[in-house]
Parts: sequence; C-alpha cells; structure tokens
Amino acid sequence: AQKVTQAQTEISVVEKEDVTLDCVYETRDTTYYLFWYKQPPSGELVFLIRRNSFDEQNEISGRYSWNFQKSTSSFNFTITASQVVDSAVYFCALSEAQRGSYIPTFGRGTSLIVHP
Amino acid sequence: EAGVAQSPRYKIIEKRQSVAFWCNPISGHATLYWYQQILGQGPKLLIQFQNNGVVDDSQLPKDRFSAERLKGVDSTLKIQPAKLEDSAVYLCASSLVPAGASTDTQYFGPGTRLTVL
Repeated sequence: AQKVTQAQTEISVVEKEDVTLDCVYETRDTTYYLFWYKQPPSGELVFLIRRNSFDEQNEISGRYSWNFQKSTSSFNFTITASQVVDSAVYFCALSEAQRGSYIPTFGRGTSLIVHP
Repeated sequence: EAGVAQSPRYKIIEKRQSVAFWCNPISGHATLYWYQQILGQGPKLLIQFQNNGVVDDSQLPKDRFSAERLKGVDSTLKIQPAKLEDSAVYLCASSLVPAGASTDTQYFGPGTRLTVL
C-alpha cells in the first residue's frame, strides 16, 4: 500500500484561480513529519513546508496555505490566485522513524499547469 | 549560502557501462541523501549518510550500486554495470541536523539525469 497518495496526477488551471493539491498519508507512528516540495522544470526540489504530527494548526505563507487533518490523514496544499510561475510538480512526503532514522517517502507528485 | 552541488548534470551511457555521480552538500550539513527519481514518480531514497557513516542503505541495489562519503563531506554514487532501468534522475540532498533528529528538512541539488541506452 502506498504510504503517500497524491491522487491528482495533473491539474490545469487558469491564472488567478485557486487550486488545492491533495495528499493522503498512511502511518502507524504517532510521531511523524509531513512535507511539501515544489519541483520546477529545472528539476531541483524546493522545500515549501514541514509539519510535525503534533501540530495540526493550519499554516498560511503568502498565497500558499496548508490544511493538516489527522482525522482524515490528509495534508492538503492550496495556492490562492495561482500564477504561471506556480507551474511545477508538487510532491508531498511523509517522514517516519525507521531503523533509527527518519526515512522520507514521497508521493508520485501532482503536476500543476497554470495557463496565462 | 551555496546550495547542494551535483555533477554532471547529464550523462548518457550504454548498458553494462559504469557511471559515477558526485555531490557536494551545503557546508556544515551532517546528513547526506541520494535519491533515484524515475520519470513520473517521486524520489526514492537509495542511501543516507551521517557524516561518513551509512545510516540506511536498505533500498540500494548493492549488486550494482555503491556510494561513499569518505571525509564526511562530498559523496559519490556509482553504478556498475548500468541497466536500462537505471535511467532516472539521481538527486542528492543534505540536511543540517543528524539523522534521527526531529527536524529533518532536506535541501536538494539539481540532480543528474542518467540515460542508459
């Protein structure tokens, strides 16, 4: 079973639309970490956010916001008023303690295309 | 602050040949990771170092892949011999805190795109 599921393979929106990228995770641990990364066409993964399992507060950073709900094992990412520069592949990742270290598992990614 | 450096950026080889990738992490970062990212998938961890020791290499195909981080700074990842299914982007990442610490944000390099013909 996948530990991190990003069901949306590709999303296409027009500039200024709001868009939500879904992430559902699976873990038996009580302590874990969730991440979102952006991978633009250049290929380098850019860190966006880290959230630990004990902090369910939603977070807002400019046009980006994240909704963490342990009850549904989801960590969704919303971009408000999308821009062409937001076009990228977005990865959600889960980091659990395994073999004495935190081992990250990435989802398959959601490709976001923002049209002008 | 300089980011994670990787070279080469692109490599094309024929199957059964050998190839090596190099990574220089962010200065002072104790933990270094190598990932394999096959087209259309998320990165998969191959090996994790803390300083010059291996923390986890459970997903490294050890019959053909090897990695080292001799002085606890740069690292090399080698494939010998390469197979067609090794075609992927190989990403290096580093993090400041030791493996196992609660904060484990990783910073990624640009990757090396390997094509095996």
